[in-house]
Amino acid sequence: DAKTTQPPSMDCAEGRAANLPCNHSTISGNEYVYWYRQIHSQGPQYIIHGLKNNETNEMASLIITEDRKSSTLILPHATLRDTAVYYCIVRYRDDKIIFGKGTRLHILP
Amino acid sequence: NAGVMQNPRHLVRRRGQEARLRCSPMKGHSHVYWYRQLPEEGLKFMVYLQKENIIDESGMPKERFSAEFPKEGPSILRIQQVVRGDSAAYFCASSPGPHSQPYFGPGTRLTVT
Repeated sequence: DAKTTQPPSMDCAEGRAANLPCNHSTISGNEYVYWYRQIHSQGPQYIIHGLKNNETNEMASLIITEDRKSSTLILPHATLRDTAVYYCIVRYRDDKIIFGKGTRLHILP
Repeated sequence: NAGVMQNPRHLVRRRGQEARLRCSPMKGHSHVYWYRQLPEEGLKFMVYLQKENIIDESGMPKERFSAEFPKEGPSILRIQQVVRGDSAAYFCASSPGPHSQPYFGPGTRLTVT
């Protein structure tokens, strides 16, 4: 079972930052927060992951609260091509990735 | 570095036939995961394999489904005696090790007629 809670859908204006929240109140100390997205019916795309510290890469930033019970994925300048289902996943070290229902992000022109 | 390759991309089978789905992991990746996505549904984990070993098959249906990842060659997901309910997109992912993030392939869309 997914250990995360995400809003089912969100809208964001093109060019604005998209902030996608995720609650994972039962996360344990050895569990990482991963984000993937699935554009239409393509294969899921890895975005970013982190344990405690905030992380940034060329795609996005991941902000994890100090108590690690929630996190936010930030797409700094959303484009129409960012329209997708975004999955927040809690993963124990070497375990498999388990997908929940995700957030359907609509980027509005 | 080429990504995860899956073939065929589309596969049509009649009820009762066998379906073989292939997954070639990224170079240097020795871990493979298979997932199934039914129409309008989420991604469901099926099986996790390392070269010549099944690590976790907790998501595999008990009958008709099998998976292998031989020492040489691609990973194969085999579905015997397909039924209409097997129609879905099947995705595989690979990683270089158990602690690394998996990267997904484009999927194989199986249609059972």
